[in-house]
Amino acid sequence: AQKVTQAQTEISVVEKEDVTLDCVYETRDTTYYLFWYKQPPSGELVFLIRRNSFDEQNEISGRYSWNFQKSTSSFNFTITASQVVDSAVYFCALSEAKGGYQKVTFGTGTKLQVIP
Amino acid sequence: DTGVSQNPRHKITKRGQNVTFRCDPISEHNRLYWYRQTLGQGPEFLTYFQNEAQLEKSRLLSDRFSAERPKGSFSTLEIQRTEQGDSAMYLCASSFRAANTGELFFGEGSRLTVL
Repeated sequence: AQKVTQAQTEISVVEKEDVTLDCVYETRDTTYYLFWYKQPPSGELVFLIRRNSFDEQNEISGRYSWNFQKSTSSFNFTITASQVVDSAVYFCALSEAKGGYQKVTFGTGTKLQVIP
Repeated sequence: DTGVSQNPRHKITKRGQNVTFRCDPISEHNRLYWYRQTLGQGPEFLTYFQNEAQLEKSRLLSDRFSAERPKGSFSTLEIQRTEQGDSAMYLCASSFRAANTGELFFGEGSRLTVL
């Protein structure tokens, strides 16, 4: 069974601070995918990134960066120089490549509040 | 707007009533998913369609729940004899089979409140 743990329920930072959101996952599969989604107050989940289990290269996209470490089953997300618009709930998620479709298991989310 | 559309956005009903939600996916997407999200939790998988075929159902989907996608386009999720525990946000997502990103495109959800 798959499981995603986001131990941080809520985080508050002051604008321009860096913040890291933690994600730890469990799966028995050797091939799997990891995701981060953002859910702003409007409610619509927005895809941020997908990583394959065989690709441990870290990725940077603007102010966002992701650190995937298979040895510790972690897929952490860092926002550099946070902005008020980053305030949202962030979900880490995991899917197995089962039957060719994405049955995605989400964590419980981390609510990020960026204070101006 | 060419995103995933869900209706109604909000539904308040009395316990025991039936409710139906509709999802219109992105037109070229052949995969459609329903998720349920309760307060403070992440979305939980309910069911999945590839075209008109319902290929997987979660154990969360009790007999009171039924989902259809009759022509492989829009989908409906019906809850019969609603209970207070059904109160949640029902999220629809779609994706295109050949796409390699694994990205699900979510709608804004239909919030159900059962009194």
